[in-house]
Amino acid sequence: EAQVTQNPRYLITVTGKKLTVTCSQNMNHEYMSWYRQDPGLGLRQIYYSMNVEVTDKGDVPEGYKVSRKEKRNFPLILESPSPNQTSLYFCASSFLWQKNTEAFFGQGTRLTVV
Amino acid sequence: QQQVKQSPQSLIVQKGGIPIINCAYENTAFDYFPWYQQFPGKGPALLIAIRPDVSEKKEGRFTISFNKSAKQFSLHIMDSQPGDSATYFCAASPTAYSGAGSYQLTFGKGTKLSVIP
Repeated sequence: EAQVTQNPRYLITVTGKKLTVTCSQNMNHEYMSWYRQDPGLGLRQIYYSMNVEVTDKGDVPEGYKVSRKEKRNFPLILESPSPNQTSLYFCASSFLWQKNTEAFFGQGTRLTVV
Repeated sequence: QQQVKQSPQSLIVQKGGIPIINCAYENTAFDYFPWYQQFPGKGPALLIAIRPDVSEKKEGRFTISFNKSAKQFSLHIMDSQPGDSATYFCAASPTAYSGAGSYQLTFGKGTKLSVIP
C-alpha cells in the first residue's frame, strides 16, 4: 500500500529537549516536505527536499532541521523545542515535475512542548 | 511570496446545499490546482485537481471551476452531505522548473465546512 508513515503520532516534551519526528514513504518519490498546521494559518511549509542530500527552507524553517540521507526517509529535527513549536506536523511526498503531481500526506504528529 | 488566498474561512450549509469555496492566486507560473480534503485526525488527501487548459472539471459531486484570466478557481460540492464535513484546502504549484525553490505546493489557509443534516 502506498503510504507516508510518520512517527510518533503524539508527542509531549519539555522545552529544550531534542526530538526527532520520522517520516518514511514507499512510493519512490523525489520530493518530500514538512508542514505545520495551526488554527487559522493553514498548512505552512517548514522544509522540503527535492532529492537525496538536497534540502531547502520553506516558509517557516526557524527552529527546525532536516536531513535526506536516503530517498525514502526525511526526518524532522527540533534541536531545542520551544512552546511556540506546539503544533500539528505533516510530512508529505510526491513526484517532481509531473503533470498531475499528487502530494501524499502522513497521518500527522501532534507535538506539545511544555 | 507566492500566495494562494482562500475564502471563506468557515462555511455551514444544510444537507443538499451547494457550498462554494473560492481561491485566488498571483503566480502565473502555477499550472496545477489541486483541492485537498482533510478529516479530523487525518492528513490531507487529494480530492480533485485541474490544469488551466480546461475551465471546469467534475468528479462525482465535486466540481472545480477555473478562470485563468482572473487567476481564480473554486470548488463546488453538489448535493452536500454530512459526510462532506471537513476542512478543504486549495493549492497551486508549477509543474515545470522555473528556478531554485520554484517547486512548491502552496496552500490556501483552508475552509472548515460543516454540513448540517
